[in-house]
Amino acid sequence: QKEVEQNSGPLSVPEGAIASLNCTYSDRGSQSFFWYRQYSGKSPELIMFIYSNGDKEDGRFTAQLNKASQYVSLLIRDSQPSDSATYLCAVTQTSYDKVIFGPGTSLSVIP
Amino acid sequence: EADIYQTPRYLVIGTGKKITLECSQTMGHDKMYWYQQDPGMELHLIHYSYGVNSTEKGDLSSESTVSRIRTEHFPLTLESARPSHTSQYLCASSETGYEKLFFGSGTQLSVL
Repeated sequence: QKEVEQNSGPLSVPEGAIASLNCTYSDRGSQSFFWYRQYSGKSPELIMFIYSNGDKEDGRFTAQLNKASQYVSLLIRDSQPSDSATYLCAVTQTSYDKVIFGPGTSLSVIP
Repeated sequence: EADIYQTPRYLVIGTGKKITLECSQTMGHDKMYWYQQDPGMELHLIHYSYGVNSTEKGDLSSESTVSRIRTEHFPLTLESARPSHTSQYLCASSETGYEKLFFGSGTQLSVL
């Protein structure tokens, strides 16, 4: 079992729709959870982080965390073509605070 | 301006050569990381450091080595490059306790 898993893509949504990206993790002691966006040929950039159970909103982005289910998600409202990218879920491991990435989900927003 | 820099951006080199990929950050971060990423594939942690004179191997076995003599500098060295080392190498840093990673622009390494 991989430490961090994400729903396999590619995910296509029409412009203006809600994109939903999911992530599960295996280390029950993980404390910090992140979503990074990576455009093709570019480095990842942090777009959301969440530490506590529940929802965290930032503009069009909402991160949701459920530690009991070991599940974290990212919702993108009013999706724009500029949101087309690969979204990486990342989790800190309990033991050494290493940051481990999932395989990513490719999102395509169709105009 | 606080940032993280990687050089070179692209490197094409022959088999057997020794190479060093440079990474420097001006944010004063204690933690630094090296990730390896092939096109369309996931990031794999190959080395990390908690501070000066601290280095650890990551989850992906790598023939590379790293050093951390100064807080701001975290170079990666390959003693003898091989075609299997062809990949993108990404350096990142974070502040202890927050783990939010800031990435450099990456070095695309091609070994012929």
